[in-house]
Order: sequence, then C-alpha cells, then structure tokens
Amino acid sequence: KAGVTQTPRYLIKTRGQQVTLSCSPISGHRSVSWYQQTPGQGLQFLFEYFSETQRNKGNFPGRFSGRQFSNSRSEMNVSTLELGDSALYLCASSSGSNRFNYGYTFGSGTRLTVV
Amino acid sequence: AQRVTQPEKLLSVFKGAPVELKCNYSYSGSPELFWYVQYSRQRLQLLLRHISRESIKGFTADLNKGETSFHLKKPFAQEEDSAMYYCALSGNNAGNMLTFGGGTRLMVKP
Repeated sequence: KAGVTQTPRYLIKTRGQQVTLSCSPISGHRSVSWYQQTPGQGLQFLFEYFSETQRNKGNFPGRFSGRQFSNSRSEMNVSTLELGDSALYLCASSSGSNRFNYGYTFGSGTRLTVV
Repeated sequence: AQRVTQPEKLLSVFKGAPVELKCNYSYSGSPELFWYVQYSRQRLQLLLRHISRESIKGFTADLNKGETSFHLKKPFAQEEDSAMYYCALSGNNAGNMLTFGGGTRLMVKP
C-alpha cells in the first residue's frame, strides 16, 4: 500500500509569508501527527489530528496551525514566517487507537527554508 | 512532563562488536517506549516497540522501569546497522504524541 505522502518536498519562502504543507496518510489511518525537525532542537511535536479533531498540541506559537479533512488528509499552516521556522517538517500517520500507540509511519518530509 | 535522554550523540563500534544505545526517560505514569531508525537518505521508520517484546534485525530493548531506561542492544553489529537511532516515549494521555530523544548516530566500522 502507498506510504505517507508529503507535498511539496522543498519550499523556499520569505520572512513574513505564510506556507501550507500537505500530508496524505496511509489508507485507513485516522491519526496524523506533525513534527518539526531541526539540528538544534531535534524532533519536536507540533500537533496530532484524529478524525478531523485536534487531539494533542505541542508547545508552538499560534502561528502554527493545522487541520484534517474527512478523508484523513492533513494540512499544516505557518503564518508570518520567521527565519527560525526553517526546518524539516515531518508528517506521520498511525491507525490511532486511543489505548495503544502502534507507532508511526513517517513521510519523507517537507524541507522549508525561510530567507 | 515527559522527557527522553539519549546521552551519546555518536557511537562508533567495529563490525561484530556488541552495541548498546542508551535511552533514559522521565515520566510519572506508564509509558510506551519505541526505537526509531533513520538510515542514510531514508525515512524515519519504526524499529521496535517495547510492548511487542520482539527482536527486529537482531536488536532488542528491554524496558527497565526501576532505572527508567530502554536501552537498545545488539550482540554483533553489522555495517548496515549504521544509522541514526531515536528513542521515543508515548505517555498514557489519549493520542499518539511522541516525545523523542535527541538521537544517537551509530557508525559501524569494517
């Protein structure tokens, strides 16, 4: 079956702009999570969506937002971009049981560069 | 708050030597622990889950609640094991949020 697909693979944006990243999870997976990966901070949790509802949120400013559609596809948006937002943004999907964490399947990521 | 610490950024061993990648965690409840691996130019992928008690590619990890550790071990390292390894914790809150450690780069020399 198809894996987790993230688009676009690369983005270059200017400070102050906004950006939208897309993620299509594995078919049948209802949980989609987003992570920011940087050399300095490592992998940091942004948020998780399950059945179109945000279930968990990390410690990021309100400029970072997301949503999930009825087909489980998810988007994340970053407004008023700052240089420090340059990072690899990873999407991960899971079957998403409330009781057990079965582990994620990750996408290849979107590399965002803010100039 | 939950925290995962991987004390070694880099671990270098010779082929055939035993490997132990350290992971310590801080969490007040009953966590689920994972190891993820990222090979060069590949996606981050799940290696093993403590709840499964399985051995994958010769790697095992035992959850030690007394020492709050989840070290990853392999008796005989292979060159193809060279990769970045991340330990991760999921708390007993609803959802799939993971807290990752900083990662350890394993280099297996011939």
